[in-house]
Amino acid sequence: GENVEQHPSTLSVQEGDSAVIKCTYSDSASNYFPWYKQELGKRPQLIIDIRSNVGEKKDQRIAVTLNKTAKHFSLHITETQPEDSAVYFCAASGADAGKSTFGDGTTLTVKP
Amino acid sequence: SAVISQKPSRDICQRGTSLTIQCQVDSQVTMMFWYRQQPGQSLTLIATANQGSEATYESGFVIDKFPISRPNLTFSTLTVSNMSPEDSSIYLCSVGQGFLNEQFFGPGTRLTVL
Repeated sequence: GENVEQHPSTLSVQEGDSAVIKCTYSDSASNYFPWYKQELGKRPQLIIDIRSNVGEKKDQRIAVTLNKTAKHFSLHITETQPEDSAVYFCAASGADAGKSTFGDGTTLTVKP
Repeated sequence: SAVISQKPSRDICQRGTSLTIQCQVDSQVTMMFWYRQQPGQSLTLIATANQGSEATYESGFVIDKFPISRPNLTFSTLTVSNMSPEDSSIYLCSVGQGFLNEQFFGPGTRLTVL
């Protein structure tokens, strides 16, 4: 089955700095890579996603890049703000659309 | 995106009892999934709830422990049977929707087993 590894497990940045979270996956059949933000006590919220036929996608301050050959994808957050503080999960899914394997999560802390 | 509700939002249960969690979606969806999130951990897929057929369970999860129903395209239940403290977790249902089958989560059910 699919295996997703996520790094780092914790990340602390100053407000205004950039944050990068990296994930690798094992199954070459995976073709959909979403990122979720989970605030304390709340459900995971989809923040951005990318398909395997796209190398990069951007939405305001967040962007995701995908290297299908190397089987890794990354989340980039620019101009971080304290409200970006949360746990971020990457995930990968393939033939069984909607069925995702999640990384272990990254706790991002943005210091004001 | 679909509006997903779960009942109960939280419960405290005694060891050896069972709890049924309900998941309701405001539109018909083909795919519904049940996940478990243990304290401080990531999300682990328990099973895919299939309408009109038995659920498909992931490795490490069995029907006797986590029976699932999916009577129609907007509703599913997950039962946590013969509970032990190790079952204390947040249980989340999710649906796949849209052209890309984006996955959206319900608010979760926080279960504590004493």
